[in-house]
Amino acid sequence: GDSVTQMEGPVTLSEEAFLTINCTYTATGYPSLFWYVQYPGEGLQLLLKATKADDKGSNKGFEATYRKETTSFHLEKGSVQVSDSAVYFCALSVPLNNNDMRFGAGTRLTVKP
Amino acid sequence: GAVVSQHPSRVICKSGTSVKIECRSLDFQATTMFWYRQFPKQSLMLMATSNEGSKATYEQGVEKDKFLINHASLTLSTLTVTSAHPEDSSFYICSAREIGGQGAYGANVLTFGAGSRLTVL
Repeated sequence: GDSVTQMEGPVTLSEEAFLTINCTYTATGYPSLFWYVQYPGEGLQLLLKATKADDKGSNKGFEATYRKETTSFHLEKGSVQVSDSAVYFCALSVPLNNNDMRFGAGTRLTVKP
Repeated sequence: GAVVSQHPSRVICKSGTSVKIECRSLDFQATTMFWYRQFPKQSLMLMATSNEGSKATYEQGVEKDKFLINHASLTLSTLTVTSAHPEDSSFYICSAREIGGQGAYGANVLTFGAGSRLTVL
């Protein structure tokens, strides 16, 4: 079935370090791919999205490219800040499956000053 | 942008009582809302899909008589945890998909509520 596998955390980085959180997927059809962010005690917020192969989603310095050949959607940021500390979820939705969303397990990022 | 309001954000109740959580889309209409449960340090588990004007669709293993879902209007879905027990303590999150919405990311983006933390004593 449709699923998402993302890098297990927790990830701890120093401020201004480079961030990569890996995400790979399995899906029938042509999924849309998402990264959501959850700050402590809050719900999820959409961070970025890509709807087709080779699309790059970007927001707030974060980027992810939809790689169909490797079925991946890795999240990257060149210089993280303390305020980026949160849990990041990779997710997919498949139009053929009523656009149901499937989430990865989440990766907790802590950025230290 | 699209906003989903979830209320209450925190609730503490005694074992055996029922608790209702509301999920409202504030500036858009949603025929479909989703309810998730999130355990500490874990991902979201889809519990059910709430459809306006019809019965909810529950995921396998979710007790429909325990987690009652009502989607009374295009802007409101409620989750009632009946006869709550300590093992029902969790973070419950709803999301909504805008009818015909496009916004910056297209129609199939979900907007999430801030979540409701339920503690059953």
